[in-house]
Amino acid sequence: SAVISQKPSRDICQRGTSLTIQCQVDSQVTMMFWYRQQPGQSLTLIATANQGSEATYESGFVIDKFPISRPNLTFSTLTVSNMSPEDSSIYLCSGDRGGATEAFFGQGTRLTVV
Amino acid sequence: EDQVTQSPEALRLQEGESSSLNCSYTVSGLRGLFWYRQDPGKGPEFLFTLYSAGEEKEKERLKATLTKKESFLHITAPKPEDSATYLCAVQETGGTSYGKLTFGQGTILTVHP
Repeated sequence: SAVISQKPSRDICQRGTSLTIQCQVDSQVTMMFWYRQQPGQSLTLIATANQGSEATYESGFVIDKFPISRPNLTFSTLTVSNMSPEDSSIYLCSGDRGGATEAFFGQGTRLTVV
Repeated sequence: EDQVTQSPEALRLQEGESSSLNCSYTVSGLRGLFWYRQDPGKGPEFLFTLYSAGEEKEKERLKATLTKKESFLHITAPKPEDSATYLCAVQETGGTSYGKLTFGQGTILTVHP
């Protein structure tokens, strides 16, 4: 499978600020996804990012809070805006080439908001 | 709405003690059921995809099976390096969320030497 480089790997941020997380894939992928994993919990999908169209957000997540860019088939960013301590979590991106292939994940970004 | 339930939440085994993890799922149409392994501080690592009831896949000490309502991950003679969180996820056919994975809560496996 392909490799996703995600950065930063971790950050500590002040409440009210924003953080942009980047994911770079070493090959083209059809779809990219952004997940949140809160401490001790499983992965929850935030949004699906396709090139050339606006991201599709899951229930409970909105574009103003989590704006996403997907400028090409190998890159995507997620911004966590106006952060509060409740946004402290691990954020993960994944890629999927579609068809009979599996999704693969970046290493995650551990965000702490103080 | 898709639902995925994994059991047990945590499992402690002695090295060499075989066991199974369960993943029960509810989905309108199953495109695939996925097993991932997640080590602390890392992203999920792909293990298996199962597409239809009766299918089985093996990799080293792991074997995954699928029925119409659940999947099992069998671990034979586990070693301490098998300690990790094992995640099950389902992907639904069609719909507007193509490719979306719905994850279970995971099973934390600890294998003692």
